[in-house]
Amino acid sequence: KNEVEQSPQNLTAQEGEFITINCSYSVGISALHWLQQHPGGGIVSLFMLSSGKKKHGRLIATINIQEKHSSLHITASHPRDSAVYICAGATTDKLIFGTGTRLQVFP
Amino acid sequence: DAGVIQSPRHEVTEMGQEVTLRCKPISGHNSLFWYRQTMMRGLELLIYFNNNVPIDDSGMPEDRFSAKMPNASFSTLKIQPSEPRDSAVYFCASSLVGSPSYTFGSGTRLTVV
Repeated sequence: KNEVEQSPQNLTAQEGEFITINCSYSVGISALHWLQQHPGGGIVSLFMLSSGKKKHGRLIATINIQEKHSSLHITASHPRDSAVYICAGATTDKLIFGTGTRLQVFP
Repeated sequence: DAGVIQSPRHEVTEMGQEVTLRCKPISGHNSLFWYRQTMMRGLELLIYFNNNVPIDDSGMPEDRFSAKMPNASFSTLKIQPSEPRDSAVYFCASSLVGSPSYTFGSGTRLTVV
């Protein structure tokens, strides 16, 4: 069965802190998406990874194919980073979603 | 490209009424997905099409839900009759068949009162 597990479910941080969200996935998943959703907002694709590491601004995503594990890091977090972050695994025909991590960054 | 376009952005309707949600995928994409998002269940795949053909509709909750894709640039999700428990955000996404890259629409927030 294709599965994606994400942790933690909820995360609070003070502005400036380094944040890590983790995602583990099962066999059959060829790529990993990190998605962001602000309250009441749409879904934005942050990264799609099948190997290595990607960086965009303060966001860094890594994936370890052997361990079937991916992480999303936010450096120097800011209140505007407050959102739900969703990990999703791509199989050959569809996405399998994690349960999401609700991040709140306080000033 | 304008991305995946969904309409309406918000819909409020009375229980028992028919609701139609619309989606225009990215031009050239040949795979289209309908998702429902609720607080309790997160994102759920309802149905997806490849080359306008429904491939997997096992996520459609019941017969009140139906989806069509009459051509490569348009799809509808219809709920008839609507019920309060259908209140959710409905997202459409498109991709190329076999590609792991997806683009999501902005969603339709449906409220059934």
